[in-house]
Amino acid sequence: QQQVKQSPQSLIVQKGGIPIINCAYENTAFDYFPWYQQFPGKGPALLIAIRPDVSEKKEGRFTISFNKSAKQFSLHIMDSQPGDSATYFCAATSDTGNQFYFGTGTSLTVIP
Amino acid sequence: NAGVTQTPKFQVLKTGQSMTLQCAQDMNHNSMYWYRQDPGMGLRLIYYSASEGTTDKGEVPNGYNVSRLNKREFSLRLESAAPSQTSVYFCASSARGRGSPLHFGNGTRLTVT
Repeated sequence: QQQVKQSPQSLIVQKGGIPIINCAYENTAFDYFPWYQQFPGKGPALLIAIRPDVSEKKEGRFTISFNKSAKQFSLHIMDSQPGDSATYFCAATSDTGNQFYFGTGTSLTVIP
Repeated sequence: NAGVTQTPKFQVLKTGQSMTLQCAQDMNHNSMYWYRQDPGMGLRLIYYSASEGTTDKGEVPNGYNVSRLNKREFSLRLESAAPSQTSVYFCASSARGRGSPLHFGNGTRLTVT
């Protein structure tokens, strides 16, 4: 059973566009939601993370929107660049648990 | 800082052969994890070690064993490799505690023929 559901599987946008990746979860015990960025041949690297006590978090061109009542969160990439082309994973965990649960990933391509 | 180091980077095995994937972290993290990544499946947890001396099964533990050798090192062993174990394997570590993310190594690409 997939603890975190992620969509879309792939996304193609023009440079300057705003790709949006969505994730949903069921377990209300989750209280930490990181996003990871992965380039080919590399391991995933932490991009940005949010806790459910805030509805939005921005770091540079990356923004997480969080809807606690809907149990959904999304990643927005403002003014996307070809260098943002990568696979993005959402994840969820709880401070009292030991496991991180990952979405199935979104392959993003930004066309120059 | 090296972070999380995995060896080897690439490996080809024949069905039935055994091997051990090595992982070491230099961040003094308590928790360590082994994931496998397959197309369309995301990252699936094989085993984890919440602290030195403990190990627990994750989502897909069958066919694997692990050893938490000390606080720094966490190895993954395939006793009798099968083609279904062809995958990219990632080791990760975390300090655990509020707001502690996972830190990943760069993976081992394993092919079983």
